[in-house]
Amino acid sequence: AQSVTQPDIHITVSEGASLELRCNYSYGATPYLFWYVQSPGQGLQLLLKYFSGDTLVQGIKGFEAEFKRSQSSFNLRKPSVHWSDAAEYFCAVGARGSGGGNKLTFGTGTQLKVEL
Amino acid sequence: KAGVTQTPRYLIKTRGQQVTLSCSPISGHRSVSWYQQTPGQGLQFLFEYFSETQRNKGNFPGRFSGRQFSNSRSEMNVSTLELGDSALYLCASMEGAGSNTEAFFGQGTRLTVV
Repeated sequence: AQSVTQPDIHITVSEGASLELRCNYSYGATPYLFWYVQSPGQGLQLLLKYFSGDTLVQGIKGFEAEFKRSQSSFNLRKPSVHWSDAAEYFCAVGARGSGGGNKLTFGTGTQLKVEL
Repeated sequence: KAGVTQTPRYLIKTRGQQVTLSCSPISGHRSVSWYQQTPGQGLQFLFEYFSETQRNKGNFPGRFSGRQFSNSRSEMNVSTLELGDSALYLCASMEGAGSNTEAFFGQGTRLTVV
């Protein structure tokens, strides 16, 4: 069965500093990987996805992520954090369910705090 | 295109009651999935429907059920509510039938069981 680990529960960075959120996955086949962001009381917004091809993917809001198969990682990065980036970030792996289709398995999330 | 619409946004129910939540996917999307989000368990997959058929089911008791209509709208039902069912229930809409498809989430229904 697939699993996702986000080792950092909370991260605090200063506005303007760089950011890296870690994500490790476990999945037997080629993974479909996602990063979502959630503001308090809201749903999930897709930041970026990796299906195949270039291992460095660009997303919205200036985020990027790099897929490293050898390390089973899909870390999220941003060169300069803005105060509005404060939110909870979830890494997810998409896998084919027993009935076909798509089933997402999420990590436990990383809560990002931005200090002004 | 309108996004994923979940109704109601908030619900308060009493233990033992039942509840029905609704999800309208993005126009043209035929797959709808449901997830439960709690502080203790995080985001957990409930079930997925495609063309009115349940394709996948998570590890939840039979009190949790769902269905999908011919217009792709979906409902989930929880019977005999327990305090532990208090959660944010999220619906996700997907266009394709395969696993390499991104999911678009609604804003969720916040269920509180008292």
